[in-house]
Order: sequence, then C-alpha cells, then structure tokens
Amino acid sequence: EIVLTQSPGTLSLSPGERATLSCRASQSVSSSYLAWYQQKPGQAPRLLIYGASSRATGIPDRFSGSGSGTDLTLTISRLEPEDFAVYYCQQYGSSPLTFGGGTKVEIK
Amino acid sequence: QVQLQESGPGLVKPSETLSLTCTVSGGSISNSYWSWIRQPPGKGLEWIGYIYYSGSTNYNPSLKSRVTISEDTSKNQFSLKLRSVTAADTAVYYCARSGDYNDYLDYWGQGTLVTVSS
Repeated sequence: EIVLTQSPGTLSLSPGERATLSCRASQSVSSSYLAWYQQKPGQAPRLLIYGASSRATGIPDRFSGSGSGTDLTLTISRLEPEDFAVYYCQQYGSSPLTFGGGTKVEIK
Repeated sequence: QVQLQESGPGLVKPSETLSLTCTVSGGSISNSYWSWIRQPPGKGLEWIGYIYYSGSTNYNPSLKSRVTISEDTSKNQFSLKLRSVTAADTAVYYCARSGDYNDYLDYWGQGTLVTVSS
C-alpha cells in the first residue's frame, strides 16, 4: 500500500497569498496517477487536479499541480476567500487507492 | 451531469451490518466504476472498494473480510454492506464515480453519517 504524507498539517495564510501544499509518497506513484481534492466543512470532496497536473472541469487556473514520482505539489497562486478549506491528495496508481491525511488552509 | 445520493440507516448497533445504497442519476451505472469511501468525524478519507457494472469488485484489504459491494442495474443503484461493525466504523460514508479501475473520483455523493452505537 502506498502511504501519502501531506505537509504542512495546517497552513495559515491571508487572501491573495500563495499556498504550496506537499504530498510525499512512500513509493513512486506510477504514471503520475495522483489527484488533489478540496473539502469544505459539511461537504463532499471536490476533484481539483488529476494526473498530477491536469485541472478538472471548471477549476480555476490559480490551482496547479506539479511533481512526479514520490514528491507532488499543489499550488494555489493567489488565495481567494473560497479557497480556505482542507486539501487531500490521492494516488490511484495502485490498489488500494489511498489518500493523504490532508492539509488545512486557514485564514491568518 | 452525474449525481449520486446515499441512503440508509443513520444508526447501527455494534456487531450488526451497516447497509447503504447509492442511487445514480444523470447517467448509467453500466459504464463506470463505483466506489465507497468513508471519513470518520474529524479525520481523513479511506477508500472502501469499488464495483464495475460487470459485477467485478475490488476491496481495500483492511476491510475486505467484512465488505460486500453489489449493484442493481435495473434501479441504477449500488450498495455497501459492512458486517460486524464497531464504534470505529462510525463515519460519513460517500459514494463516488470513477471512469476506470484505480482512477480518480470525479463525482461524489453528499455523504451520509452512520453512527455505530447501542
């Protein structure tokens, strides 16, 4: 099983700032089969990024994914008020599908 | 636009079986993979397993001995059964869709909270 470790656990930033979220895998994620999700309180996760760097339908271009192998990154170029939420990475290169523990982006 | 809706009891007694159903609208279950994921209160996400319309399944080894996922194509639904539940199975349960086996999850239900308690 591939274990995903997300850091930091919490990121305190102000609107307009840049957010950089890390997802480290215990072994290489094949073919960059990694996704990122956003979850707000009381809501289901929403797909943001798949294939490590492809934005899902309707996702603003301030969200970008990068990296490969064992080190993946989600970047939010300029935080909007609606971006404060918890973000999860997920690998789907091997079974079982696994998620990281999440990074909370909170308002500073 | 595919929509998913979970339904089932919100309270289950310890040692009993948790049963949930996911109803799919806006698309047929006969051309995608359908997963269950759970999230204990205040914690992260855990993939439980998926079913393909052919009936083939894939389960998380951590739950495999207690889980069955099945489908009813006539009702465009799929279901989860989790046997011998304990308090550790208390969670919000989500159903979700993926386009292929071992794939990202692009459509999610809103989730339903199931509490295991006597």
